[in-house]
Amino acid sequence: KAGVTQTPRYLIKTRGQQVTLSCSPISGHRSVSWYQQTPGQGLQFLFEYFSETQRNKGNFPGRFSGRQFSNSRSEMNVSTLELGDSALYLCASSPGQGALNTEAFFGQGTRLTVV
Amino acid sequence: QKEVEQNSGPLSVPEGAIASLNCTYSDRGSQSFFWYRQYSGKSPELIMFIYSNGDKEDGRFTAQLNKASQYVSLLIRDSQPSDSATYLCAVGRTGGGNKLTFGTGTQLKVEL
Repeated sequence: KAGVTQTPRYLIKTRGQQVTLSCSPISGHRSVSWYQQTPGQGLQFLFEYFSETQRNKGNFPGRFSGRQFSNSRSEMNVSTLELGDSALYLCASSPGQGALNTEAFFGQGTRLTVV
Repeated sequence: QKEVEQNSGPLSVPEGAIASLNCTYSDRGSQSFFWYRQYSGKSPELIMFIYSNGDKEDGRFTAQLNKASQYVSLLIRDSQPSDSATYLCAVGRTGGGNKLTFGTGTQLKVEL
């Protein structure tokens, strides 16, 4: 069974630009969550999509947005990039619905560097 | 107060010993608890999850949950150098979808 696939693996962007990251979850998984990981803040939750709807959102500015397609693939977009957006962006795939959180499996991440 | 707290370490244990990693959380609505292992430069890898009070064992790993005291721990028996990594505690709450709140992780070093 294929794992979580994130593309691209590495990105270098200039301040003010925008970027789109992609995530393909494990087959059959309907929930995709995005996290930002930095040395200072650790793993911070950005948002979760389930069945093409944003189900949860973290405390990030509106420059961070996302979407999910009918095949469960998800994209996140960051507009007007700032130096502080440099981080490892991780996508997590989960089966989805249930009373309890289900296990989340991470992709290899996209390393974004803003210069 | 952080929502999920872990001692950053490093925690050093000799090879073959038991490593004990601890995590406390502040949200009493938390219902799901996960341990991830992250090697340097890699993404987090799920080791175990636990939902109910008590112990849950999987091979060399045991997760322990005490909701009354709001702590969860991970024991690693017969520690190996390959266990050297950062261990992340993650917590989810009912009604929170699949949102997880992570601690900042404990660095474990298993020495020969």
